[in-house]
Amino acid sequence: EAGVTQFPSHSVIEKGQTVTLRCDPISGHDNLYWYRRVMGKEIKFLLHFVKESKQDESGMPNNRFLAERTGGTYSTLKVQPAELEDSGVYFCASTSGGNEQFFGPGTRLTVL
Amino acid sequence: GQNIDQPTEMTATEGAIVQINCTYQTSGFNGLFWYQQHAGEAPTFLSYNVLDGLEEKGRFSSFLSRSKGYSYLLLKELQMKDSASYLCAVRPFSGGYNKLIFGAGTRLAVHP
Repeated sequence: EAGVTQFPSHSVIEKGQTVTLRCDPISGHDNLYWYRRVMGKEIKFLLHFVKESKQDESGMPNNRFLAERTGGTYSTLKVQPAELEDSGVYFCASTSGGNEQFFGPGTRLTVL
Repeated sequence: GQNIDQPTEMTATEGAIVQINCTYQTSGFNGLFWYQQHAGEAPTFLSYNVLDGLEEKGRFSSFLSRSKGYSYLLLKELQMKDSASYLCAVRPFSGGYNKLIFGAGTRLAVHP
């Protein structure tokens, strides 16, 4: 069974540009989470989808971030326009409803 | 507020035992998780505690005391491959709101 996959693995963009990150959860997992880790700090929750609906978006930092999960399968996280402080590693995780969240390898975003 | 503390770094010798402590203060409690993360890779699930006591899984054990807001991860018979970051995370809520609150992680270095 394939694990959680994320694309791209790395992205380097300039301040003001737009970047879209993609997450493919484990097949059949209704719950999908986005987290991010900025340099030197802890992993922080961004939002939680149940199927295509946003269950909890309390961690989204501001309206420059837009997450979607059309059809309840893969999800995208768009940052527009990107700022320097958005640099970090963005993780996606999924679960079928059990306790364990399965994490992807992350997308390392660098904003110059 | 939400606060999870764990030591930043630890070192240990191959074959030895190491205990990584985690203390937490969160607005609710619905389980504590330990994850292992090798550099550049996805965090992988190690253990889950929701009731007080010790959970053992092979060379790894995790302990929880809810009244003290305290947990530890015990690693026995250390191997070089155990060199990694160990993340303590709390799930504060129930009822479908399953976000995790992470500590900053403990970087463990195992040397011969």
